[in-house]
Amino acid sequence: EVQLVESGGGLVKPGGSLRLSCAASGFTFSSYSMNWVRQAPGKGLEWVSSISSSSSYIYYADSVKGRFTISRDNAKNSLYLQMNSLRAEDTAVYYCARVYKWSRYDAFDIWGQGTMVTVSS
Amino acid sequence: DIQMTQSPSSLSASVGDRVTITCRASQSISSYLNWYQQKPGKAPKLLIYAASSLQSGVPSRFSGSGSGTDFTLTISSLQPEDFATYYCQQSYSTPPGAFGQGTKLEIK
Repeated sequence: EVQLVESGGGLVKPGGSLRLSCAASGFTFSSYSMNWVRQAPGKGLEWVSSISSSSSYIYYADSVKGRFTISRDNAKNSLYLQMNSLRAEDTAVYYCARVYKWSRYDAFDIWGQGTMVTVSS
Repeated sequence: DIQMTQSPSSLSASVGDRVTITCRASQSISSYLNWYQQKPGKAPKLLIYAASSLQSGVPSRFSGSGSGTDFTLTISSLQPEDFATYYCQQSYSTPPGAFGQGTKLEIK
């Protein structure tokens, strides 16, 4: 079964750090670009960061640039998000998502169940 | 940056109704438009990619259309399990990212 499972969420104080993990199974992880998407309580979806299959291309939303770092370990079939200098507005459910490509088009076809990050004193 | 705007923000409808949700891009994105469905407490699910291509396993009552800046998601005959929030997403820019603000479909 194709699956993504996030972990590492929790309660952290403003200014603190947290590292999220996403474990992939059921597909050749090293062949796919991956993303992090977050959703604040009661709000919509916000794209956070993207990493290409070989880590050659990395992108961040302006809201997290300089504070968050995306990485992956293809040998371990794992995606990571290192989050530093956390703010209250980073409170959200964080999802990892796989990018699938059909010719010129792509979309996030597989999503994890999400992990909750709460930034509060 | 490309901005995506959905309308309406919420919609009430009955089982069996035909429903249309609109998504507008701030610039032309050709057919680089995806639609997702999200139910409370669950991860989003891909419904439509490339504006009009149905993702595998998605019921045929869902359809997408449009190109350029204006797109629609249509549900031909609402079923109880379709009441959810729907998001559009542009995949024109690299990386694919910007989502619309969402349309919450509620039971009338």
